[in-house]
Amino acid sequence: EPEVTQTPSHQVTQMGQEVILRCVPISNHLYFYWYRQILGQKVEFLVSFYNNEISEKSEIFDDQFSVERPDGSNFTLKIRSTKLEDSAMYFCASSPEDYPSTDTQYFGPGTRLTVL
Amino acid sequence: GESVGLHLPTLSVQEGDNSIINCAYSNSASDYFIWYKQESGKGPQFIIDIRSNMDKRQGQRVTVLLNKTVKHLSLQIAATQPGDSAVYFCAEGRDSSYKLIFGSGTRLLVRP
Repeated sequence: EPEVTQTPSHQVTQMGQEVILRCVPISNHLYFYWYRQILGQKVEFLVSFYNNEISEKSEIFDDQFSVERPDGSNFTLKIRSTKLEDSAMYFCASSPEDYPSTDTQYFGPGTRLTVL
Repeated sequence: GESVGLHLPTLSVQEGDNSIINCAYSNSASDYFIWYKQESGKGPQFIIDIRSNMDKRQGQRVTVLLNKTVKHLSLQIAATQPGDSAVYFCAEGRDSSYKLIFGSGTRLLVRP
């Protein structure tokens, strides 16, 4: 069964450093998303991406964040200058062409980002 | 992919019993609701969904009930198995938006 993959599984960085989190969505999917979950809190939407542009973003997704689909398979989230409060689990998700609808956001296993 | 939080409510059930996990949602304008399951080390996994114009939907061993009057959603798992042990999240969405809004999660523990 196809699945979303994410690398690395755990990223440790120093405050102020740039990090890039990588995701490989399911191959025939066209909509891509990033969510995050701070320990002990809810999963929060960050951004959605379709047709090489951001289709929706949350208040969390400020100028420090950017997303890119550099090739036909990868989808990345970049944090330019990490802050302590960026420490969280980051989930990538993807969905097929007929989204938005129910039941079609498939999540990856997550990358745990620790900012020291 | 852990979503473990220090303050997750926990439901402990005996293997073979039925489980009911509850969720209160906030937006009366949501068009659909989804239940996700998250096992340790994995991301959220889709279980079942329901549109806002429905009251009940059944899947394999799972049933979702929607009470719009009190903005309440429940997930019923029949004959709970050890493999059902996980954290369960409800999420709500709108057709006009790409984002899902997640609830805080409930940990289900199945006793053998």
